[in-house]
Amino acid sequence: GENVEQHPSTLSVQEGDSAVIKCTYSDSASNYFPWYKQELGKRPQLIIDIRSNVGEKKDQRIAVTLNKTAKHFSLHITETQPEDSAVYFCAARIPGGGADGLTFGKGTHLIIQP
Amino acid sequence: DAGVTQSPTHLIKTRGQQVTLRCSPKSGHDTVSWYQQALGQGPQFIFQYYEEEERQRGNFPDRFSGHQFPNYSSELNVNALLLGDSALYLCASSLRQGAFGYTFGSGTRLTVV
Repeated sequence: GENVEQHPSTLSVQEGDSAVIKCTYSDSASNYFPWYKQELGKRPQLIIDIRSNVGEKKDQRIAVTLNKTAKHFSLHITETQPEDSAVYFCAARIPGGGADGLTFGKGTHLIIQP
Repeated sequence: DAGVTQSPTHLIKTRGQQVTLRCSPKSGHDTVSWYQQALGQGPQFIFQYYEEEERQRGNFPDRFSGHQFPNYSSELNVNALLLGDSALYLCASSLRQGAFGYTFGSGTRLTVV
């Protein structure tokens, strides 16, 4: 099955700086890569996603890049703000044959220092 | 527009007991997936239901079973509870199997004592 590795487990950055979280996946058939933000005690919320036919996607301060050859994808947050503090999870999905479940990384605790 | 709703929000059970968790998908969604999230870990896929059938299953024992009803709502049943089953159980809904964009509920916090 699919395996997703996520690094780092904890990331502390100064407010206003950029943050980068990286994930690798094992199955080249994976075609969908979402990123979720989970605040303490709350549900995971989709913040951005990318499909395998796209190399990069941006949404205001958030961007995701995908390198299919190397099987890794990254989340980039620019001009970080205190409300960006949360746990971020990457995930990957293998399509077809009823295989719809997402495989998640272990998460990155992002801390924004004032 | 109601999102994904789960009940109950919290539950305490004794080892060996059985539990049923419930999920109502987001309006317009017809596919429901269940995930187990242990403390400090990412969610782990349990199984997915579409058209009232289990379509895919993660690496979970048969003690974990489910059901989907004609109105697309779903139940997760866990038998013979173990201490290790203590976790946040998340339900995610989407529109049809293979779609992009999953919406998560707030989860049920299960504590087994």
